Amino acid sequence: NAGVTQTPKFQVLKTGQSMTLQCAQDMNHEYMSWYRQDPGMGLRLIHYSVGAGITDQGEVPNGYNVSRSTTEDFPLRLLSAAPSQTSVYFCASSSQGGSYNSPLHFGNGTRLTVT
Amino acid sequence: GNSVTQMEGPVTLSEEAFLTINCTYTATGYPSLFWYVQYPGEGLQLLLKATKADDKGSNKGFEATYRKETTSFHLEKGSVQVSDSAVYFCALSGWDSNYQLIWGAGTKLIIKP
Repeated sequence: NAGVTQTPKFQVLKTGQSMTLQCAQDMNHEYMSWYRQDPGMGLRLIHYSVGAGITDQGEVPNGYNVSRSTTEDFPLRLLSAAPSQTSVYFCASSSQGGSYNSPLHFGNGTRLTVT
Repeated sequence: GNSVTQMEGPVTLSEEAFLTINCTYTATGYPSLFWYVQYPGEGLQLLLKATKADDKGSNKGFEATYRKETTSFHLEKGSVQVSDSAVYFCALSGWDSNYQLIWGAGTKLIIKP
């Protein structure tokens, strides 16, 4: 019953460093996505994927890269961390985007601080 | 474009009080509407949903009715418990946003014993 697993749970980076946030799901979901959550702003979509080999940009993609080489994994890469990227990051998956019959399943989040 | 507006929090209530969290939306056509809940330290999880006008979604004592005439999907519960303390998000999904969820800002609910 793993669902969506995110690692690490916490991370502190210095400005300019790079890192990869990991996300894996074991539900055979085609759709996976990354959100960031900031106080008073709800969730903002960074990137999403509708299947292996396919990715697309969301609302706030700048400074982030993704790839989807397998159905299970959807890592998020920060190329050169900036303080504005301090946030809580959530990975979510579903069988069919955010439609009525396929609600999103979320991981427990990664809290990232960039100093 | 599509958007969701929620009442600002935090909302603080005593145990057994009646809860209403307001949610209104702007969208073309007939979007699906959702409430997700985020308990402390966890990711979001679906609480309830509705797909057409006058539909009522319900789960764990919470209810919300899809009101097309007022473009609203207010969340209600008759008697809240301390364990209901969480952040509640209203969201919509429609064909014109390619079924990507559009989220409200979230409303933090605090229930005092």
